[in-house]
Amino acid sequence: RKEVEQDPGPFNVPEGATVAFNCTYSNSASQSFFWYRQDCRKEPKLLMSVYSSGNEDGRFTAQLNRASQYISLLIRDSKLSDSATYLCVVPNSGGYQKVTFGIGTKLQVIP
Amino acid sequence: EAQVTQNPRYLITVTGKKLTVTCSQNMNHEYMSWYRQDPGLGLRQIYYSMNVEVTDKGDVPEGYKVSRKEKRNFPLILESPSPNQTSLYFCASRTSQWYFGPGTRLTVT
Repeated sequence: RKEVEQDPGPFNVPEGATVAFNCTYSNSASQSFFWYRQDCRKEPKLLMSVYSSGNEDGRFTAQLNRASQYISLLIRDSKLSDSATYLCVVPNSGGYQKVTFGIGTKLQVIP
Repeated sequence: EAQVTQNPRYLITVTGKKLTVTCSQNMNHEYMSWYRQDPGLGLRQIYYSMNVEVTDKGDVPEGYKVSRKEKRNFPLILESPSPNQTSLYFCASRTSQWYFGPGTRLTVT
């Protein structure tokens, strides 16, 4: 099993739709997780951190399922501006010295 | 403004010609790191540094060198670039989250 796995997509959804992506990880010792957003080969930027069961910020909800070792990102009421690639980030050690980035899930919101 | 800067942003070079990509951060972060991003492979860590004069290998260090003489700077050195090092490179610094530079698109012919 890969350290971090994401479905690369693309996910094509209409404006206003709700979409969810999953990210599975293999290191059961991982304590915290991150979702980053990357626009068209620009630098990744932090979207959300997930330290316990989940986190919510406006239309975005991240959830953690430790038993099944996955985190999810839910986007409600999708906007055209949500079109991007969403990277799952899993630190490999407590000090975050090494991290594994997922390959990203591409989302395209269409009018 | 808190930021990570990289230079150059774009570089086309030939095999074997030594090059350096600079990275600088103004947030006084101790931790800095270099990544390369390739289609289908995601971001892979090349080297990281926990502080001045402290560096360590990431997952794909072969063909690269780094140095950390000052806290703010973390240059990436390719002593003898090869075509398989053609990639998009990101420098990052970190506290509780990673802050990425704008990226350097390198092509080695």
